[in-house]
Amino acid sequence: ETGVTQSPTHLIKTRGQQVTLRCSSQSGHNTVSWYQQALGQGPQFIFQYYREEENGRGNFPPRFSGLQFPNYSSELNVNALELDDSALYLCASSFATGGTDTQYFGPGTRLTVL
Amino acid sequence: AQSVTQLGSHVSVSEGALVLLRCNYSSSVPPYLFWYVQYPNQGLQLLLKYTSAATLVKGINGFEAEFKKSETSFHLTKPSAHMSDAAEYFCAVSEAGNNRKLIWGLGTSLAVNP
Repeated sequence: ETGVTQSPTHLIKTRGQQVTLRCSSQSGHNTVSWYQQALGQGPQFIFQYYREEENGRGNFPPRFSGLQFPNYSSELNVNALELDDSALYLCASSFATGGTDTQYFGPGTRLTVL
Repeated sequence: AQSVTQLGSHVSVSEGALVLLRCNYSSSVPPYLFWYVQYPNQGLQLLLKYTSAATLVKGINGFEAEFKKSETSFHLTKPSAHMSDAAEYFCAVSEAGNNRKLIWGLGTSLAVNP
């Protein structure tokens, strides 16, 4: 059983560019959540996808968007990058049961915006 | 609204000493509570979770936490610290429902001195 994987590991972009981050969920999981973790902070919820539909969104602007594919992998897209978007982006997968739905995290993608 | 407060952004203990990391939560409904650990430049690893069963929860690596409703607390403890326990520890809360997003504390950095 493979765990959650994310790509790329590191990424450097300039202000105004667009970026796509990718996440492969753990085998058997149908839900993917994305979080942004700024340096020295706790993660902040961006959005969640359940069976290819957005299932909740945090306080992030529309330039943060996502997709979930039939195999439950997911992408996070960020348009018009700003300096404050520099952070560790974490993907977590889970299996929605209506209960605790423990989330398992990938290693993250470190995005630096210059 | 849910929130999580972790008292003490930095905790330092000697190897072999008791580890106590504090977490208080606010939630309008019975919560699910989690402790995660994050090693440098890595993602988040689940230590343990509270799911309204036993109030004393045992996790990996010798950690445990006790849910105290009257104190709205979920403190993490380990009887004897090991050098390998040095990491960032995050407490998180979620509510049952359609979107079980995690709300996170700011984290506590644990240093273990020889």
